[in-house]
Amino acid sequence: AQRVTQPEKLLSVFKGAPVELKCNYSYSGSPELFWYVQYSRQRLQLLLRHISRESIKGFTADLNKGETSFHLKKPFAQEEDSAMYYCALSGNSGYSTLTFGKGTMLLVSP
Amino acid sequence: GAGVSQTPSNKVTEKGKYVELRCDPISGHTALYWYRQSLGQGPEFLIYFQGTGAADDSGLPNDRFFAVRPEGSVSTLKIQRTERGDSAVYLCASSLLAGLANEQFFGPGTRLTVL
Repeated sequence: AQRVTQPEKLLSVFKGAPVELKCNYSYSGSPELFWYVQYSRQRLQLLLRHISRESIKGFTADLNKGETSFHLKKPFAQEEDSAMYYCALSGNSGYSTLTFGKGTMLLVSP
Repeated sequence: GAGVSQTPSNKVTEKGKYVELRCDPISGHTALYWYRQSLGQGPEFLIYFQGTGAADDSGLPNDRFFAVRPEGSVSTLKIQRTERGDSAVYLCASSLLAGLANEQFFGPGTRLTVL
């Protein structure tokens, strides 16, 4: 069975502080990992995926297979980063149904 | 262009009633997914369509839930004999093709409340 764990329901930081949103997963094969974001009153949208190794809005995430983690990081948080963040996993079934974590609310205060 | 749309945005019904939730995917997207998001939880997979056929319905919780996509575009999620535990936001997503390289685009969701 595949599982995604996001241990923090809420992460509150000040503007300019570093941010790390934790994500751990459980999967027997080689998963694909994603981070989705939902800003207030907006729909869920893809932030980044590990296979493309890109940085979006200053966020990065590295897949650590040894620790089965895919933590989301940003060196300097901005107020506009305040949102709900979901880590998600897709198994190697050939199509991409997603297993989501419960999400972490990031609040960036001025 | 237009994104994924879902109707209604809100639906309030009584326990035991039948409801239908509609999803209009992005034009040309062949893959369509339904998820359910309960309060305080992340989205949970229900069913996946490739074209007109349900390629994976392993997430449907029981036989009260059914979904169709007769022409390979619009999909309808049907819930019979609704229960209070069915209250949640039902999300639809579509992607151009199936497969991990294809981004899923989500709709705004339908908030279902069963009284």
